[in-house]
Amino acid sequence: EPEVTQTPSHQVTQMGQEVILRCVPISNHLYFYWYRQILGQKVEFLVSFYNNEISEKSEIFDDQFSVERPDGSNFTLKIRSTKLEDSAMYFCAGTGVQETQYFGPGTRLLVL
Amino acid sequence: GESVGLHLPTLSVQEGDNSIINCAYSNSASDYFIWYKQESGKGPQFIIDIRSNMDKRQGQRVTVLLNKTVKHLSLQIAATQPGDSAVYFCAENFNTGFQKLVFGTGTRLLVSP
Repeated sequence: EPEVTQTPSHQVTQMGQEVILRCVPISNHLYFYWYRQILGQKVEFLVSFYNNEISEKSEIFDDQFSVERPDGSNFTLKIRSTKLEDSAMYFCAGTGVQETQYFGPGTRLLVL
Repeated sequence: GESVGLHLPTLSVQEGDNSIINCAYSNSASDYFIWYKQESGKGPQFIIDIRSNMDKRQGQRVTVLLNKTVKHLSLQIAATQPGDSAVYFCAENFNTGFQKLVFGTGTRLLVSP
């Protein structure tokens, strides 16, 4: 059964550094999403992406965040200058023609 | 796990019992609802979904009930097994067209053998 994959599984970075989180969605998916989950809290929507552009973003997704799908396969989330409060699990998700969003295993980001 | 559960409601059941997990959703305009299971260190795993034009949907060992009048969603798990132990989230879609999901706070289910 096809799965969403994410790399790395864990990332530790210094405050102010740039990080890129990578996702490989299921091949026939058309809509892509990033969510995050701060430890002990609920999953929060960050951004949705369709047809190579952002379709919706949350208040969390400020100018420090960007997404792209550079090669038609990978879907990346970049944080330009990380802050301590960016520490969280970041989940990629996707949907095809059905509505169900399938999530990847997540990347645990720790900003020191 | 990602949901440490310090503030999560917890449901403890014995193996073989039926479990009912409840969720109050926020937006009366939401038209699509999903239950996810999240095991420690993993991403949300789809369990079952329901559209707002239905009030009940059954899957394998799971049933979702939707009460739009009181904006309430429940997940029933029959014959609960230790492998069902996880945090369960309901999520709703605000019908933006791009499936932005809004998650609830989650309930931790603990199944004792």
